[in-house]
Amino acid sequence: NAGVTQTPKFRILKIGQSMTLQCAQDMNHNYMYWYRQDPGMGLKLIYYSVGAGITDKGEVPNGYNVSRSTTEDFPLRLELAAPSQTSVYFCASEGGGEKLFFGSGTQLSVL
Amino acid sequence: DAKTTQPPSMDCAEGRAANLPCNHSTISGNEYVYWYRQIHSQGPQYIIHGLKNNETNEMASLIITEDRKSSTLILPHATLRDTAVYYCIVRVDELNTGNQFYFGTGTSLTVIP
Repeated sequence: NAGVTQTPKFRILKIGQSMTLQCAQDMNHNYMYWYRQDPGMGLKLIYYSVGAGITDKGEVPNGYNVSRSTTEDFPLRLELAAPSQTSVYFCASEGGGEKLFFGSGTQLSVL
Repeated sequence: DAKTTQPPSMDCAEGRAANLPCNHSTISGNEYVYWYRQIHSQGPQYIIHGLKNNETNEMASLIITEDRKSSTLILPHATLRDTAVYYCIVRVDELNTGNQFYFGTGTSLTVIP
């Protein structure tokens, strides 16, 4: 099992551009999450999903969208990127004794 | 709203036990206490969790007070590789709600040689 795979690892965007952060898991987990982590801070929940076709907002959803068409994939869409969205983004899935399994993160800079 | 309170930083000598405290005075009866750690800029890693009873696994021990308002994570013999940020999280175990994990700022543990 690869676990949770995030792509890309690094990305630089210009203000106003859009992009999709990809997240895939091969553990057949129903629950998936997107977090962002600003420098020196803890993780903040952006969106989560309890299964294919079901998504809901977390603490900081503004400026982001998600979809969950399959159990495996949970992409995060940034529309009209802003400097405030400069952060490290982590995707996670939940399974196996209610534990979170994290991807390696995507470092995004918006300039 | 923060559900847990942790000291921002701690030091521990290598080979000694590291005791990381966490206050969760508003914890409700169906909320579990979880501990995760984040080494450098990697994704957080699960350590241990519990409801009422003390728990132990190959990584650590979790001591929860009888009133469940606080807990302590114990790393019995800290090594340099245990230097990380440790997050204490309380979470409701409810079906179909996403069972959100809310991370605070954690405790930055530095293990000193």
